Formats: sequence, structure tokens, C-alpha cells
Amino acid sequence: DTAVSQTPKYLVTQMGNDKSIKCEQNLGHDTMYWYKQDSKKFLKIMFSYNNKELIINETVPNRFSPKSPDKAHLNLHINSLELGDSAVYFCASSHQRQGSYNSPLHFGNGTRLTVT
Amino acid sequence: AQKVTQAQTEISVVEKEDVTLDCVYETRDTTYYLFWYKQPPSGELVFLIRRNSFDEQNEISGRYSWNFQKSTSSFNFTITASQVVDSAVYFCALSEAGDDKIIFGKGTRLHILP
Repeated sequence: DTAVSQTPKYLVTQMGNDKSIKCEQNLGHDTMYWYKQDSKKFLKIMFSYNNKELIINETVPNRFSPKSPDKAHLNLHINSLELGDSAVYFCASSHQRQGSYNSPLHFGNGTRLTVT
Repeated sequence: AQKVTQAQTEISVVEKEDVTLDCVYETRDTTYYLFWYKQPPSGELVFLIRRNSFDEQNEISGRYSWNFQKSTSSFNFTITASQVVDSAVYFCALSEAGDDKIIFGKGTRLHILP
């Protein structure tokens, strides 16, 4: 069974469109994250939710909006897509929020977003 | 501020050689956690190890070993008798107690040549 699953795996779209990436974890973890990996493989945190509460919101354009309907799901909606948004987006979860337990991240397989 | 430096951008070794991937970190906290992750060509990110700042014992898991040295702020990763399947990008990461973020280094791309 997949622990952290995100869909779609590939997403090709045109500039200006709005798209969503979905993420679900079945590990019973309290905390979920979105990371962006650019073409140079650099991993940068974007958002983190703990029990549906936003706890990390890095300097990300407000075209990106995360939504957590429950602690097992964290979706990422992107408005008005730009060429620079092309990247691989990884969802992850951890047992508890960092800072209290610092448990490892369990990652999904990534969504490769290509904006043309 | 916390920082992770992986100075080796890319390494190539011939199969069966030993290889060490360097990781140097910066933190002001006395309590922190260090991690290594592997990203094979298929793209997924796989957790390898977590080490807290109070445990300086080296760890060995099969062909993998980790050397944690607080004196030099390093957490190096050695693969013994490397295999082609070890080819991947390896990330070192740091999180501080009291901080919600895990910060990743830029990764080292390891090529194991047959």
C-alpha cells in the first residue's frame, strides 16, 4: 500500500492555467508538507500543515494555495501558472511536527509539472 | 540560521570502490537532528537515517555507514563496496528542535560505473 500518494504524476499545462495537485497519506501522521524541487535538484519547503493548521508558509507567491481538508490530505492549488513554476513537487508527511520530535519525512513520488 | 552544505556536486567511482559523501551543517541549537535521503533515478525520495545531536556514535547498516562529528559539524556518509544500484542523488538534511523546518543540502549526485 502506498504510504504517501500524490496525483497526478505528470502535469503538462499552458501558462495562465490553474491546476491542482492532490496528496494523501495513510500513515496516520499529523504533519504534511509541500516541497519544490527545481531543475538543479534543490529541495525547498513551501508549506507545512499540522492537523489541518498551517504552520509553515515560506516565501511562495500567493498564486500557490495549499488546502488541508483533514490531516490525511494536503492539496496544492496553483493559479495563473508561469514558466518558472515548472518543477517537481513533492508531498511529504511526518509523524509529528518538527521541533517537537523531528521525525523523518515520508515522501510521495512527486508530481512533475511542466508549464509551456 | 541553519544551513547544510554538500560541497561535492557530483562524484563518479567504479563499482566496488568505497565512496564518502560529505555533509557539513551549521546551527546555533544544541539540539538538532540530521538526516540522509536517497533519490534514485526513478525520482522518489527515500529516508536512510536520522541522527540526533546527542548521539555521536557512528552507525553502520550493511554497506552504508555514517560518521557524525560535532567537532567539525559534519555528518558524512560512506558506501563500502559500491554497486551500480547505489547511483542516485543523496541529500543531507538538518532540523532544529523548536523549528518546524527540515532544511536540505543541494545534494550530491553519485555515479557508480560498472
